[in-house]
Amino acid sequence: QAVLTQPPSVSGAPGQRVTIPCTGSDSNIGAGYDVQWYQQLPGTAPKLLLYGDNNRPSGVPDRFSGSKSGTSASLAITGLQAEDEADYYCQSYDNSLGGSLFGGGTKLIVL
Amino acid sequence: QVQLVESGGGVVQTGRSLRLSCAASGFMISSYVIQWVRQAPGKGLEWVALTSYDGSNKYNADSVKGRFTISRDNSKNTVYLQMNSLRAEDTAFYYCSRSESVHRWFDPWGQGTLVTVSS
Repeated sequence: QAVLTQPPSVSGAPGQRVTIPCTGSDSNIGAGYDVQWYQQLPGTAPKLLLYGDNNRPSGVPDRFSGSKSGTSASLAITGLQAEDEADYYCQSYDNSLGGSLFGGGTKLIVL
Repeated sequence: QVQLVESGGGVVQTGRSLRLSCAASGFMISSYVIQWVRQAPGKGLEWVALTSYDGSNKYNADSVKGRFTISRDNSKNTVYLQMNSLRAEDTAFYYCSRSESVHRWFDPWGQGTLVTVSS
């Protein structure tokens, strides 16, 4: 069964740098499909944060960046701010599903 | 302004049916793949179904196969999710979103509609 694995939570103090890993397999990230990251603030719909592995939509600060290698991807957030506290989901196409595969989500806690 | 608005959610009994709608504005859905994603209360995102540009290709998650059907009416700029034989585990917020390709990113997303399946 296809899965994208993320840690349930990560934390950091304001101003620090945190990373959120996303581990997949050969049917998704490892097959070369784009990795996206979505940010979900409490009580709201998910919002596209990064697309195509490491591209930021207009309006997303450059404190957010992404990387991908092999079957894994990672989201990095520098200069952590209180407003970054949210749930973050990685997503990629999976050729065994024929559709989107989401990671389990990571809750970012700003200490 | 590009926007997707879901509707049709509500409280329904186990085993009954419900049809969700996803109305698009600010763009023509005929140029986009549309997907449905759901999120059970307090849980993560789960992909449910998607439809290709003209509706000729449709894909469902295993958890809803044989029960949910995605369809689209490009003339009404609307996508639907027909949900039959509903179960308690189908209780979730249902979101629709668009993409230029099934392999790429989905943006924007609608605000979601809540489906509650109760016995």
